[in-house]
Amino acid sequence: KAGVTQTPRYLIKTRGQQVTLSCSPISGHRSVSWYQQTPGQGLQFLFEYFSETQRNKGNFPGRFSGRQFSNSRSEMNVSTLELGDSALYLCASSLDRGRPSSLDGYTFGSGTRLTVV
Amino acid sequence: AQTVTQSQPEMSVQEAETVTLSCTYDTSENNYYLFWYKQPPSRQMILVIRQEAYKQQNATENRFSVNFQKAAKSFSLKISDSQLGDTAMYFCAFRSSNDYKLSFGAGTTVTVRA
Repeated sequence: KAGVTQTPRYLIKTRGQQVTLSCSPISGHRSVSWYQQTPGQGLQFLFEYFSETQRNKGNFPGRFSGRQFSNSRSEMNVSTLELGDSALYLCASSLDRGRPSSLDGYTFGSGTRLTVV
Repeated sequence: AQTVTQSQPEMSVQEAETVTLSCTYDTSENNYYLFWYKQPPSRQMILVIRQEAYKQQNATENRFSVNFQKAAKSFSLKISDSQLGDTAMYFCAFRSSNDYKLSFGAGTTVTVRA
């Protein structure tokens, strides 16, 4: 079956602009999480969605937002881009049986490489 | 917040040899989940192995096995019979039993030499 699909693969934006990244989870997976990966900070959790609701949010400014659609596809948006937002943004999907106390693994996409100039 | 520490930034191993990656974590919880992910140059994070904290038995997946020491809060990964395709960055990750996010370590770059 198809894996987690993230689009676009690469993106170059200018400071002050906004950007929208897309993630299509594995069919049947209801949970979608977003992570930011940078050489300096490593992998950091942004937010997680389940059934169109944000269940968990990391410690990022309000410029970072997301949403999930009824088909479980998710988008994340970054407004007023800063140079420090340059990173690999990874999306992960999980089957999620509706409770965190299960060993559901997360399947990651190949990420979107965002460069802010 | 949970902290995951990987103290080895880089490891190098000869093909067919064994390498062990260390991971320690800090938590006050009794039940949680631990994972090892592999990230090759293609960037996609691939789940290597996972372990539930309440299970004493160490998880094994083909050439990959873990040594889970709950009291010591240690979760090391052993790669046996290393192959060139094992060259990648390896991340240790923690998830609480009452949360949905993964907390990652800084990663260990593993290079397998021919």
